[in-house]
Amino acid sequence: DTAVSQTPKYLVTQMGNDKSIKCEQNLGHDTMYWYKQDSKKFLKIMFSYNNKELIINETVPNRFSPKSPDKAHLNLHINSLELGDSAVYFCASKLAGGNADTQYFGPGTRLTVL
Amino acid sequence: GDSVTQMEGPVTLSEEAFLTINCTYTATGYPSLFWYVQYPGEGLQLLLKATKADDKGSNKGFEATYRKETTSFHLEKGSVQVSDSAVYFCALIRGSNYKLTFGKGTLLTVNP
Repeated sequence: DTAVSQTPKYLVTQMGNDKSIKCEQNLGHDTMYWYKQDSKKFLKIMFSYNNKELIINETVPNRFSPKSPDKAHLNLHINSLELGDSAVYFCASKLAGGNADTQYFGPGTRLTVL
Repeated sequence: GDSVTQMEGPVTLSEEAFLTINCTYTATGYPSLFWYVQYPGEGLQLLLKATKADDKGSNKGFEATYRKETTSFHLEKGSVQVSDSAVYFCALIRGSNYKLTFGKGTLLTVNP
């Protein structure tokens, strides 16, 4: 069984479009994250939700809007896509609490904006 | 702010060679330290971690020791295999929001 899953795996779209990426975890975790990996493999956090509440919002353009309908899901909606949004987006999850610091990552969604 | 610096590579080794990937960090307090591995076309997997000074994390023949005096967490393996070819990320977590701060990744290629 897949612990952290993302859909779609690949997404190719035109500039200016709006798209969503979905993430689901079946680990019973409380906290979920979105990371962006650029073409040079550099990984940077974008958002984090704990029990459906936003707790981390790094300096990400407001074209990016995360939505957490329940604690097992964290979706990422992107408006007015730009060329610079092309990247691999990773979802991750972890248990809340001081001793549970290991994050489990999904397989990634490769977004290509043309 | 927090930061992680690791040797950028790429690193190319022959099978059975010794591997070291250097990682140093800047953070106040007592971060937890991690090595994640990303195999081609896949997501990140936790390789090992250490949560306090002098702890040694180990997994699959890889080791790293949390050295607070040198703020380092170097990754080592005594004998690499072709299947170890991947990108390796050093990372830290500090504070209650558990935000992972990553180094830039090191591409390792092991040739037969």
